[in-house]
Amino acid sequence: GDSVTQMEGPVTLSEEAFLTINCTYTATGYPSLFWYVQYPGEGLQLLLKATKADDKGSNKGFEATYRKETTSFHLEKGSVQVSDSAVYFCALSTNTGNQFYFGTGTSLTVIP
Amino acid sequence: NAGVTQTPKFRILKIGQSMTLQCTQDMNHNYMYWYRQDPGMGLKLIYYSVGAGITDKGEVPNGYNVSRSTTEDFPLRLELAAPSQTSVYFCASSYSARESNQPQHFGDGTRLSIL
Repeated sequence: GDSVTQMEGPVTLSEEAFLTINCTYTATGYPSLFWYVQYPGEGLQLLLKATKADDKGSNKGFEATYRKETTSFHLEKGSVQVSDSAVYFCALSTNTGNQFYFGTGTSLTVIP
Repeated sequence: NAGVTQTPKFRILKIGQSMTLQCTQDMNHNYMYWYRQDPGMGLKLIYYSVGAGITDKGEVPNGYNVSRSTTEDFPLRLELAAPSQTSVYFCASSYSARESNQPQHFGDGTRLSIL
């Protein structure tokens, strides 16, 4: 079945450090891939997306590339800030189903 | 620019009480979803709907009921509240899960405690 496996946290980084959060997927059909961010006490917000192989989604300095050969969609940012502290969810949808599939979330804390 | 609106934001229930969590969206989305998020955990799908009059169970439907009489509204009903239902509940909507480039939009959540 369709699923997303996400790097477990929590992750703690110093400000300006490089961030990678790993995400791999299993999907039937042709998935679209998403990263969502959840700030404390809030709902999930779409951070970026990619809808076909080799697409790169980007937003607010974050990037992720849809890699079909490795079934991956890793989230990266070159220099994190304290304001990036949040929980990050990888997710997918396919053209054959009615649901979205979420990873378990990775908590990121950035310290000054 | 309302998006997905959930009410109430917070609620405390006693064991055995019932309540309805409201969710409405103004984006004319066909698909709507209810998730629960337990502390430090990911999202678990409770119920979803692909259009008015159509609902289907997700991963954890027991203890909950839903209805979808209009495109805009998707209420979630707890009939006999139990401590295990203490959680944060999120409603989400999307144009379609099958169309690429169509993400989900989430409400701000309802924080429910059952004592």
